Amino acid sequence: AQSVTQPDIHITVSEGASLELRCNYSYGATPYLFWYVQSPGQGLQLLLKYFSGDTLVQGIKGFEAEFKRSQSSFNLRKPSVHWSDAAEYFCAVGPSGGYNKLIFGAGTRLAVHP
Amino acid sequence: DTGVSQNPRHKITKRGQNVTFRCDPISEHNRLYWYRQTLGQGPEFLTYFQNEAQLEKSRLLSDRFSAERPKGSFSTLEIQRTEQGDSAMYLCASSPDQQGTQYFGPGTRLTVL
Repeated sequence: AQSVTQPDIHITVSEGASLELRCNYSYGATPYLFWYVQSPGQGLQLLLKYFSGDTLVQGIKGFEAEFKRSQSSFNLRKPSVHWSDAAEYFCAVGPSGGYNKLIFGAGTRLAVHP
Repeated sequence: DTGVSQNPRHKITKRGQNVTFRCDPISEHNRLYWYRQTLGQGPEFLTYFQNEAQLEKSRLLSDRFSAERPKGSFSTLEIQRTEQGDSAMYLCASSPDQQGTQYFGPGTRLTVL
């Protein structure tokens, strides 16, 4: 079955600390991979995506993610968190090429302490 | 490029009433998706259009739900005889051909009393 697991429901970090949000997926073939961020009451904003090529991808707002095929993981990282990063983060997978119905994880809510 | 827009942003209705939501995708995006997001969960796929053709519907989309995209531009999602379990955020997304990235609108939050 196709699924996405985000093991951490809630994470709290101090401002300036590093961050890693975990994402594991189960998928029949190499998928397209995405990270989205959602602020309260808002839609989803794309942070970054992986289609192919370099397994370390850079996104907006200083985020990066690394695709590890052997671990079926696509973890999101940021070296220094800002208070404005507090939000909910969703990992998603979809079939490679063309039409893609995305399958989302349940999300990780990030809180940032000053 | 003004992004994906959705109207209304909020809708409160009584159980048994019908509601309709509208989504305007990014211009020239011929793929349009509807998702539903309940509290504490990630979005779940409902249905997908390529131009005006509805190509896939999730099992989540019961007979009370209908979606249209009559001219391949905007789309509407109608829920008939709403139930309290329909309370959720309804998200619309669009993407261009030959590219997998979906761009989401701000959503319509439905509350069924």
